Amino acid sequence: DAGVTQSPTHLIKTRGQQVTLRCSPKSGHDTVSWYQQALGQGPQFIFQYYEEEERQRGNFPDRFSGHQFPNYSSELNVNALLLGDSALYLCASSLEQGESYGYTFGSGTRLTVV
Amino acid sequence: AQSVTQLDSQVPVFEEAPVELRCNYSSSVSVYLFWYVQYPNQGLQLLLKYLSGSTLVKGINGFEAEFNKSQTSFHLRKPSVHISDTAEYFCAVSPSWDSSYKLIFGSGTRLLVRP
Repeated sequence: DAGVTQSPTHLIKTRGQQVTLRCSPKSGHDTVSWYQQALGQGPQFIFQYYEEEERQRGNFPDRFSGHQFPNYSSELNVNALLLGDSALYLCASSLEQGESYGYTFGSGTRLTVV
Repeated sequence: AQSVTQLDSQVPVFEEAPVELRCNYSSSVSVYLFWYVQYPNQGLQLLLKYLSGSTLVKGINGFEAEFNKSQTSFHLRKPSVHISDTAEYFCAVSPSWDSSYKLIFGSGTRLLVRP
């Protein structure tokens, strides 16, 4: 049973560029959340998608946007990259009507902005 | 707003010794509490969670935690650690009213188990 799959695993971008990260949720899960984990810090909630809509958003600027597709997979887009956007981006999936807090995390995408 | 404090950034311990990783939280509302572990180059794995009921919660890999409402703490313990327990440990809270189950994490504690 495949867990949460994220791609790519690593990437390097230049300041000002745009990036798209992808997430395939665990089989049977319908909700996707994104977290940013800066080096040496705990993950911070970016936003959550359910039924193809952004349900809740953390304290992140509009440069961060996302999308959920009918097959429940999701994308995270970051525009006008800053050096401070360098981090590990984690995707977590869950089932809306499932066991409370049944999050499954992916291994993340390591983004380096130079 | 909720916040989580993990006072110890790193805890060194010898193999087979007991360990306690401390977690304190601040919240004006009822919260759910969690401990996650992160091994190098991996995502987060749930160790245990407290939603309600008994304040002593048992998790995977021999870990347990105790919820103390009066001290707003949720410390993680293991009676005898192994080399393989070396990892980063994160305490997290989520407001019990929040249907999105958004997690608020502490800054983490690196557990270093020495032979």
